[in-house]
Amino acid sequence: EVQLLESGGGLVQPGGTLRLSCAVSGFTFSSYAMNWVRQAPGKGLEWVSTINNSGENTYYADSVKGRFTISRDISSNTVFLQMNSLRADDTAVYYCARGGSAAYYRFEYWGQGTLVTVSS
Amino acid sequence: EIVLTQSPGTLSLSPGERATVSCRASQSVSKYYLSWYQQKPGQAPRLLIYDTSSRATGIPDRFSASGSETDFTLTISRLEPEDFAMYYCQQRGLSPPTFGQGTKVEIK
Repeated sequence: EVQLLESGGGLVQPGGTLRLSCAVSGFTFSSYAMNWVRQAPGKGLEWVSTINNSGENTYYADSVKGRFTISRDISSNTVFLQMNSLRADDTAVYYCARGGSAAYYRFEYWGQGTLVTVSS
Repeated sequence: EIVLTQSPGTLSLSPGERATVSCRASQSVSKYYLSWYQQKPGQAPRLLIYDTSSRATGIPDRFSASGSETDFTLTISRLEPEDFAMYYCQQRGLSPPTFGQGTKVEIK
């Protein structure tokens, strides 16, 4: 059974940092791209970032480019999202999602999400 | 980026009725790159349909979808109580991947 479990969310002040983690199981981690997708309270879905299966290539939404960094650790089957210079409009539930085989941006499986609140 | 516009914003129907959700793209999307997701309150989204018309694993056949270029449709043939939820279309043909704003299917 494919499982994704996010952690690391919480309350942070504007300008602060946070590191999200997503531990996965039930599939060969090194074979799939991984993604972060967020959802602001009461709003729709927004793609945030993608890392390919090998970790060599990363992609970011313009809204987070230069502030967020995605990475992955094959030894622990975990994908990370390092978030710096956080702003109020980064407040959202952040979902980890597995990409499809040879289809980075097909979000086949999702975690339950972790809430990030940016507020003073 | 490709903008996806869903209609209607809200669909009020009774169990057993047919639901049709539209997704219009601001530019042509390959049929291999359009997906649909279902999201229930307090839950993560779930992939329903990929490549315009292929059902994801475990999705019942009352869910179907079709379309091409800029016009795509999700159909639920007979609504079951568990189908009342938000539905989002999503394209991955052109980076960045984008979602429609969502359609709420609610109980009438």
